[in-house]
Amino acid sequence: NAGVTQTPKFRVLKTGQSMTLLCAQDMNHEYMYWYRQDPGMGLRLIHYSVGEGTTAKGEVPDGYNVSRLKKQNFLLGLESAAPSQTSVYFCASRDSTGGEHGYTFGSGTRLTVV
Amino acid sequence: SQKIEQNSEALNIQEGKTATLTCNYTNYSPAYLQWYRQDPGRGPVFLLLIRENEKEKRKERLKVTFDTTLKQSLFHITASQPADSATYLCALDPSGGYNKLIFGAGTRLAVHP
Repeated sequence: NAGVTQTPKFRVLKTGQSMTLLCAQDMNHEYMYWYRQDPGMGLRLIHYSVGEGTTAKGEVPDGYNVSRLKKQNFLLGLESAAPSQTSVYFCASRDSTGGEHGYTFGSGTRLTVV
Repeated sequence: SQKIEQNSEALNIQEGKTATLTCNYTNYSPAYLQWYRQDPGRGPVFLLLIRENEKEKRKERLKVTFDTTLKQSLFHITASQPADSATYLCALDPSGGYNKLIFGAGTRLAVHP
């Protein structure tokens, strides 16, 4: 039972390059989220999905795109990376009940854009 | 403006004492508040949820209070241990639902033997 798995764990990109971060969950959760975490700023919501085929914008969506083609996967894309996107990215999921179980987070992807 | 505030300074306490961490929020009316633990290099781990109609909630050595008048939640760890050293995050959904959690920046707790 892996929970939430993020790949890759580390990545260095050059400015202008593109990449996709993959999040996979094996808990049959409906809801999935992408956050970024920067020092002193806490976790900020980028995009989220309330079910297969649906996505919505969070607090800081600019420069990112997402897709949820399969229930278990939530992809985060950076089309043209910028140094401001250097951060640690966390994926999370939750079930459809009333929040008693909280969110389950992955272990993160540390991205550096140079 | 809306914000969630946690003490940015680390809290240092002696083993066996009670640690108390504070979460204050402004311009929100959340239906509940959650607390998470985060260890270095790891993702947050859910600890407790407390609803607006609950004054207090306990889980083993953890206790959370929620005062909607003061717009504050307190998180207590009794009989603290070095293994409790971590960063603790509070979170709420501004809409009152469960769809979009907003997090505080967290408070780092260091428990010394």
